[in-house]
Amino acid sequence: DTGVSQNPRHKITKRGQNVTFRCDPISEHNRLYWYRQTLGQGPEFLTYFQNEAQLEKSRLLSDRFSAERPKGSFSTLEIQRTEQGDSAMYLCASSPPTSGSTDTQYFGPGTRLTVL
Amino acid sequence: AQSVTQLDSQVPVFEEAPVELRCNYSSSVSVYLFWYVQYPNQGLQLLLKYLSGSTLVKGINGFEAEFNKSQTSFHLRKPSVHISDTAEYFCAVGFQKLVFGTGTRLLVSP
Repeated sequence: DTGVSQNPRHKITKRGQNVTFRCDPISEHNRLYWYRQTLGQGPEFLTYFQNEAQLEKSRLLSDRFSAERPKGSFSTLEIQRTEQGDSAMYLCASSPPTSGSTDTQYFGPGTRLTVL
Repeated sequence: AQSVTQLDSQVPVFEEAPVELRCNYSSSVSVYLFWYVQYPNQGLQLLLKYLSGSTLVKGINGFEAEFNKSQTSFHLRKPSVHISDTAEYFCAVGFQKLVFGTGTRLLVSP
């Protein structure tokens, strides 16, 4: 069990550029979540997948944000035309299959995005 | 809708002293509650969770929390803290989608 991994760990970009982050969940975890954490705040839910299906999206996920999870394995989060307000830590989590109740979400180390 | 309030943004405490980090929640559905810890430059790590059953939940590193439905609280406690417990602690409520509080920074000094 190597844990949830995220790449890159840090990304600095200029306003208006597109960025893409990758998350590799724990093997055999069928659920994958994206959260955003700004300085001094708790993580805020963005979206989640069960296998390859995106089941819920937050209103925080504007049209500039898109997430995919092809083949139900790794996931990517893309931000188009970045704005300074997008600067944050982007966290990915995964959880194992359960029989209907919630289960533990295991978090990755996050990708810190800085938009100049 | 669900929400979490962490009443203290920062809690300073001396090593070996007891500590309580407060968390109050609001939920219109069945309650699943969590405490996560975040060390500097690291991801969130689960300390403990309440799904059902006994209202006293024991977690890792000597932490425990008590679910109190009448007071809608889920306070985190440790009888004797160590320097290494210095970190940010987050309370969360949810089912799949977690709603987090703003966090409490625990500062343990010698």
